[in-house]
Order: sequence, then structure tokens, then C-alpha cells
Amino acid sequence: NAGVMQNPRHLVRRRGQEARLRCSPMKGHSHVYWYRQLPEEGLKFMVYLQKENIIDESGMPKERFSAEFPKEGPSILRIQQVVRGDSAAYFCASSITPGQGRSTDTQYFGPGTRLTVL
Amino acid sequence: GESVGLHLPTLSVQEGDNSIINCAYSNSASDYFIWYKQESGKGPQFIIDIRSNMDKRQGQRVTVLLNKTVKHLSLQIAATQPGDSAVYFCADLPNSGYALNFGKGTSLLVTP
Repeated sequence: NAGVMQNPRHLVRRRGQEARLRCSPMKGHSHVYWYRQLPEEGLKFMVYLQKENIIDESGMPKERFSAEFPKEGPSILRIQQVVRGDSAAYFCASSITPGQGRSTDTQYFGPGTRLTVL
Repeated sequence: GESVGLHLPTLSVQEGDNSIINCAYSNSASDYFIWYKQESGKGPQFIIDIRSNMDKRQGQRVTVLLNKTVKHLSLQIAATQPGDSAVYFCADLPNSGYALNFGKGTSLLVTP
């Protein structure tokens, strides 16, 4: 069973360009979470999605950032008009069910996309 | 604000010794805790978890201890190996929540 897949692994953008990050959850997982990690810091929650629904986007900046998880295809995290402060590693995780305590709630992470804004 | 934090940013141990990584949390509403391991250039890898109705849980070479009285969590790694070198994060989930709250991480370096 393939793990969570993310692409691209590395992305370089100039200020003002758009960045599109893709995440394919593990097979059988319908819950997707996006996290951002700044250098030498822990991961910070951004958004939680189920198929075709954004459940919680409380950790996502109000402007320039958007996320989707369509019925078909990967989840997309989109950053418009990137700025240098957007440079970070972006991780996607998936789970069978949301919540805590059950083995099906465990969030499994992908390898991340490292975004560099020049 | 409420946070999950780690006592030490770096820990160096000799191969074969036991390692103990500590974590303090402040959110009294958290009742589920997870340890992740992150190797350089990779995503966090699930190690072990524990619910607040337990004070100890064991896995393969790893043990997690939870002290709810002082809001302290620790990860013990037995017979540490070079492959254990990584950054270790504790994370908690608030009651009924799903957004993991990560600490800053402890870097574990295993020397031969």
C-alpha cells in the first residue's frame, strides 16, 4: 500500500507567482490535512478536508491561500502571489477517520513539498 | 497560549544507550498524544500514541509515559541505534479535535 504522495518535492517560485502543491492520500483514506513547517519548528495545522468539503481552514491565512479536495484526483494547496515568507515545507497527512484514539484516526504524513520563494 | 513544548532542543547519546525525550503540554483539554519521528528531508513518521486514560504504553523498543498531574510526556527509546537519529516531535489533539498541535522538536543524535 503506497503511502501519502506529494508532488512536487521541491518547488521554486519567484515573488508574485503561484504555487500549486498536490497530495494524494493513502488508499482508503478520505480525510486530508495540510500542515506547514518553518525551519527548525514544529508543524502548524492549516486545513482539514474531506472529499469535496473543507471542514476546518482555521489555520490557513485568509488571503492568497486556498485548498481543495475534489471528488476525483489529489488534494491541492494553492498559494497565489507568493512572498518570501511563504518559503517552508508543506506536509499533507491523511487518515481513514478523523478524531483520536482509534487506529483508523492516525494521521500518516507524506514526504512534503519544500517551497522556496526567490 | 496553549502549546506543546519540549524541554531540550538537542540530545546526544551513545549507540546502545537508552534515550529519553521529554515533552510538556499545557492544554488540559488534550487527551490524546502522539510521538512522531522526522528524518532529514522526510515527513513525520508515526511512532507511538497514548490516550489520557493510560499512563504508559509500550511498542517495539519505545515506551511512552504520560503524567497528567504535571502535564508531562516522555518517549523512551531502548538500545538506541544510529538509525534513531532524527528530530522527535510530540503532538497533542484537543478533546474531540483532529488538528494535531506539534511542539518544536528534539534533535536526537546517536554517536557510535
